[in-house]
Amino acid sequence: QKEVEQNSGPLSVPEGAIASLNCTYSDRVSQSFFWYRQYSGKSPELIMSIYSNGDKEDGRFTAQLNKASQYVSLLIRDSQPSDSATYLCAAGGGGNKLTFGTGTQLKVEL
Amino acid sequence: EAGVAQSPRYKIIEKRQSVAFWCNPISGHATLYWYQQILGQGPKLLIQFQNNGVVDDSQLPKDRFSAERLKGVDSTLKIQPAKLEDSAVYLCASSPRDRGSYNEQFFGPGTRLTVL
Repeated sequence: QKEVEQNSGPLSVPEGAIASLNCTYSDRVSQSFFWYRQYSGKSPELIMSIYSNGDKEDGRFTAQLNKASQYVSLLIRDSQPSDSATYLCAAGGGGNKLTFGTGTQLKVEL
Repeated sequence: EAGVAQSPRYKIIEKRQSVAFWCNPISGHATLYWYQQILGQGPKLLIQFQNNGVVDDSQLPKDRFSAERLKGVDSTLKIQPAKLEDSAVYLCASSPRDRGSYNEQFFGPGTRLTVL
């Protein structure tokens, strides 16, 4: 059973701080990893993808991948109230299939 | 570029009734997915199409759920008869032509189904 594990939260951070979201996956065959943001009542929106070990930066977002530890993380710098949402981690394996975690709820407080 | 379109956005039915959802993927996207997302959970894949062929339907409850993508473009997902536990958001996603595992998926707005 392929699994993606996330802490459900809520993770509360003050405005302007760095939010750190973590994810572990069980299937060593997974080759691609994605972070989706989902606002309440809305559908998931792709914000980051990462395929190689190391860091990938896009604006205020940095995705980190460590395949040896089977660990993926998302850092959000200068967190804003508009970042308050549920963040879904997904792992991609063969056949373009994604396995999603249950999501971490992030709350950015003023 | 237009995103993934879905309709209806909301549907309320009674148990044992039937319901159908429609999805039109991003233009040119060969792969189409239907997911079920229950409140508080991540999306769960129901069925994956590559063009008009089924790639994976291992988690589709085939006794009550069916899906088709006849011309390799839009798709319909049907539930007949519906059960209370089918209450969820049904998400359609699409991705470009097959690039192995590195295929980003883009979601439509979803259909929120309530079964009473």
